[in-house]
Amino acid sequence: EVQLVESGGDLVQPGGSLRLSCVASGFTFSSYGMHWVRQAPGKGLEWLSYISSSASTIHYADSVMGRFTISRDNAKNSLYLQMNSLRADDTAVYFCARGGEGSTAKTLLDYWGQGTLVTVSS
Amino acid sequence: QPVLTQPTSLSASPGASARFTCTLRSGMNLDSYRIYWYQQKPGSLPRYLLRYMSDSDKHQGSGVPSRFSGSKDASTNAGLLLISGLQSEDEADYYCAIWYSSTLIFGGGTKLTVL
Repeated sequence: EVQLVESGGDLVQPGGSLRLSCVASGFTFSSYGMHWVRQAPGKGLEWLSYISSSASTIHYADSVMGRFTISRDNAKNSLYLQMNSLRADDTAVYFCARGGEGSTAKTLLDYWGQGTLVTVSS
Repeated sequence: QPVLTQPTSLSASPGASARFTCTLRSGMNLDSYRIYWYQQKPGSLPRYLLRYMSDSDKHQGSGVPSRFSGSKDASTNAGLLLISGLQSEDEADYYCAIWYSSTLIFGGGTKLTVL
């Protein structure tokens, strides 16, 4: 069974940093691209970042470019999101999601974690 | 103008059909994009429903009933999600998505009410 479990969400002050983790199981993690997506309270889905299976390809949304860094450790079946210079509008539930296979890796998000809540407030 | 525009809400009766639109920004070529559709029920995770590029290039998500289908409307430059035989359990938010300019873009989502 595919499982994705996020952790690391917390209350943080504006300007602060946070590192989210996503531990994967039930599939060969090193074979799949992975995504981070967030959802602010009562709002829609916002894609944040993608990393390919080997980490050779990385993409970011404009809203987080230069502030957030995606990474992965295939030996630990883990995906990370380092978030710096956090702002109030970064408050959201953060999901990790598995990309599809082959040409759909960047667009077909077929399994999602339960999400971890990040609250940015003073 | 957003890359993808979805109506905020849609209402339909049980047993009827629902037609969701996902309109691409003016100037974008609908033929160039695979449109992905996701469903998110209240309090639940998003779920991949289907992908539609053309009748010869489409994909149904695992376990997604055939009453969910995709299409395109060239006259309005929009991707379409069609649900037939609506059930109360279909009440959810529906998001379209495309890969555009090295980013994954979600539409704002359409809330379906089945009443």
